[in-house]
Order: sequence, then structure tokens, then C-alpha cells
Amino acid sequence: EVQLVESGGGLVKPGGSLRLSCGASGFLFSGFSMTWVRQAPGKGLEWVSSIHSTSSHISYAASVRGRFTISRDNAKHSVYLQMKSLRAEDTAVYYCAREKYNDYGDFRFDYWGQGTLVTVSS
Amino acid sequence: NFMLTQPHSVSESPGKTVTISCTRSSGSIASNYVQWYQQRPGSAPTNVIYDDDQRPSGVPDRFSGSIDSSSNSASLTISRLRTEDEADYYCQSYDGSVVFGGGTKLTVL
Repeated sequence: EVQLVESGGGLVKPGGSLRLSCGASGFLFSGFSMTWVRQAPGKGLEWVSSIHSTSSHISYAASVRGRFTISRDNAKHSVYLQMKSLRAEDTAVYYCAREKYNDYGDFRFDYWGQGTLVTVSS
Repeated sequence: NFMLTQPHSVSESPGKTVTISCTRSSGSIASNYVQWYQQRPGSAPTNVIYDDDQRPSGVPDRFSGSIDSSSNSASLTISRLRTEDEADYYCQSYDGSVVFGGGTKLTVL
């Protein structure tokens, strides 16, 4: 059974840092790209960052570029999101999700974790 | 980049059929596949339609997807509505970066 479990969320002051982790099990982790998606309270889904299976390609949303860093450790079946210079508008539930590609280069998020809440407040 | 626009909310009665639209602002809707996600209150999203019109295993055949090039939009149709279908629904596509629609709240009453 595929499982994604996020951790590391919590309350942090503006300007602070936090590192989220997502542990994966039940599939060949090193064969899949992974993504972080966030959802502010009462709002919709927002893509944050993605990392290729080999870390060869990384991308960020404009809203987090330069402040957030995505990484992965295939030996530990984990993907991480290092967040710094946090702002109130970064307050959200952060989900990690697995990317499932089709034969044409498009993909869907076929499995999601349960999410971890990050609250940025003084 | 482009935007995906969804109606904020829709409502329908149990047993009826509802369609949720997702309109692409620029570029062809057919250029990149559209995915649909269901998010029940307090839960993570789950994929209910992929590649425009494909159903993942375990998703009831009451859920179907389509695209319409004339309106440059994708649609999620749910037939024989059940109260458990009440949820937020998001469309998503990709064109160099991931784009989500704003979400549609489906009320089944």
C-alpha cells in the first residue's frame, strides 16, 4: 500500500524557518518525481515545488522561489521542503504528492499524504 | 502561464447529474491533459479523473470527464449524485508548471 506521511509542521514566527519531511512507503520511491502542494485555510490548492526522481530537475512556484528548497534522499525514501524567511501568507496545510506520468509527458498526483499544518504568526 | 477557472459552487439533489466546468484562459485545453481531484472536508485530495477522461481504479463510473475545444474547457460530470459526493473539486493541468483551478464546492442537498 502506497503511503505518504508528512511531518515537521508547526508554529513559527515571521522570518523563521521550518523543514518539512515526507516519508514514503509501498512503492519504488526512487522511480517517481515528488511534489509539495499547499492549501491556505479556506482556500484552494497551490502548487509549491517539484523534484525529479533523480533530483536532476527542480522547480518552484514564484511565490516561494528563493525562500524554499526542495530535496530528497532516495535511500531514506523521503522528500523534504526547507522553508526560510517565512511569511504569514505561507500559513497552510502542506501536502506531499506522488507524480504519475503518462506516455505523453503529462502527469497527475495519484497519491497524497495527509498534510502537515504550518502556521506563521507572531 | 495560463489560468483554470471553475465556478465557485454548484448544488444539486441526490440522484441527479451535475457538471463542473474548468475553463483554460489561454492556449488550447487539448494541449495538456486535465486532471480532477476530489477533496472531502478535512481530508487530502484524491484523484478522480486523469488524462481528461480516465477513471482511476476504485472511482465509481458515475464520475466522468471530458474536454470541449470550442469552449476551451474541461468538464467533470457526476451522475446519480450521492450525499458522499459533497466535496470540493479541483481541476489541474500542466504547461511547464502545475496549474490548479480555484476549486468548486459541490453541495448535494
